[in-house]
Amino acid sequence: DAGVTQSPTHLIKTRGQQVTLRCSPKSGHDTVSWYQQALGQGPQFIFQYYEEEERQRGNFPDRFSGHQFPNYSSELNVNALLLGDSALYLCASSWRLAGTNEQFFGPGTRLTVL
Amino acid sequence: AQSVAQPEDQVNVAEGNPLTVKCTYSVSGNPYLFWYVQYPNRGLQFLLKYITGDNLVKGSYGFEAEFNKSQTSFHLKKPSALVSDSALYFCAVRASNTGGFKTIFGAGTRLFVKA
Repeated sequence: DAGVTQSPTHLIKTRGQQVTLRCSPKSGHDTVSWYQQALGQGPQFIFQYYEEEERQRGNFPDRFSGHQFPNYSSELNVNALLLGDSALYLCASSWRLAGTNEQFFGPGTRLTVL
Repeated sequence: AQSVAQPEDQVNVAEGNPLTVKCTYSVSGNPYLFWYVQYPNRGLQFLLKYITGDNLVKGSYGFEAEFNKSQTSFHLKKPSALVSDSALYFCAVRASNTGGFKTIFGAGTRLFVKA
């Protein structure tokens, strides 16, 4: 049973560009959350998707947007990249009806903005 | 607003000695509390959680944590540390009354176990 997978592993972009990160949840999970982990910090919640809609959002600007597909996989899009967007982006999956359960995390995508 | 504090950036302990990694939290309503561990260049790995019931919860790899409601703390403990326990540990809280999976993480504590 594959866990949470993310692609690509690493990505280098320049300021002003746009980036798309991808995530496939653990089998049986229908909810995907995205987190940004800057160097030396804990993960920061960006948003959560289930039933193909954004359900919760953290304190991130509109440059951060997402999408969830019918197969529960998800994309994170970041427009107009800033140097400060350089971070490890983590995807976490869960089953919506098991609200007390922990989330399962993928290995992350390391984004570097030059 | 929810918040998590991990007051120690780093904890150093000798192999075989007990270890404690501290965590305090702030949340409205009853909290769901979690500990995760992160190894270099890896995602987060779940260790244990407190939802309700017994204040002492046991998790993976011999770790346990004690929920203290009056002190709003959830300290991670292990009776005998291993060198392989050296990693970055995150405490996290989720509000039980908001639904969803939005989870607030602390800044992390780096555990270093010396042989």
